[in-house]
Amino acid sequence: DIVMTQSPDSLPVSLGERATINCKSSQSVLYNSNNKNYLAWYQQKPGQPPKLLIYWASTRESGVPDRFSGSGSGTDFTLTISSLQAEDVAVYYCQQYYVTPITFGPGTRLEIK
Amino acid sequence: QMQLQESGPGLVKPSETLSLTCTVSGASVSSNDHYWGWIRQPPGKGLEWLGSIFHSGTTFHNPSLKSRVTISVDTSKNQFSLKVRSVTAADTAVYSCVRHGGSYFIDNWGQGTLVTVSS
Repeated sequence: DIVMTQSPDSLPVSLGERATINCKSSQSVLYNSNNKNYLAWYQQKPGQPPKLLIYWASTRESGVPDRFSGSGSGTDFTLTISSLQAEDVAVYYCQQYYVTPITFGPGTRLEIK
Repeated sequence: QMQLQESGPGLVKPSETLSLTCTVSGASVSSNDHYWGWIRQPPGKGLEWLGSIFHSGTTFHNPSLKSRVTISVDTSKNQFSLKVRSVTAADTAVYSCVRHGGSYFIDNWGQGTLVTVSS
């Protein structure tokens, strides 16, 4: 199985500041034939199911604010929130879908400093 | 706007079978563009993929649950289902049905239903 790790576990950020969450996979999730990274990011607020933010490592889902961006390739990825808003407080998960079993990172809890 | 709604017992006894159904509205499980799957999340913990199914019946399962999981689809009812056999307290979780997007990322989630395994 591909093991996903995330850092940090918890991230306090001031409103309006940049938040950066890291995700690392135990093996590359880049499919060379189509040059796509099989990596997604989700946001989960309390009492709600996760919501898709980013797929193919950097493609923003429709309706997701452009302050959210994804980057990285191979085994190292980053989710960046350019200017933190109060409604962004949540747990963020990365997920690889390069191979089954699909696996998720343990989550990063984003909070207001 | 599509919706997925889980239904089934909220309490299951140890060693018995957990059974859940997902009813899809606003989309068709017969779509050639999507797989349909199940994810669970134990209280306070992370996300675990259980398995997914295509309308043809092709399924993929998480080997971690060995052969305890069965996923099926009923295109006539626009539903798909999950069975987990021989449950233990470790199977206590919020179970969510999901739709996979253009690949195996998940573009739609049900609200989830808490299933507790206890005698």
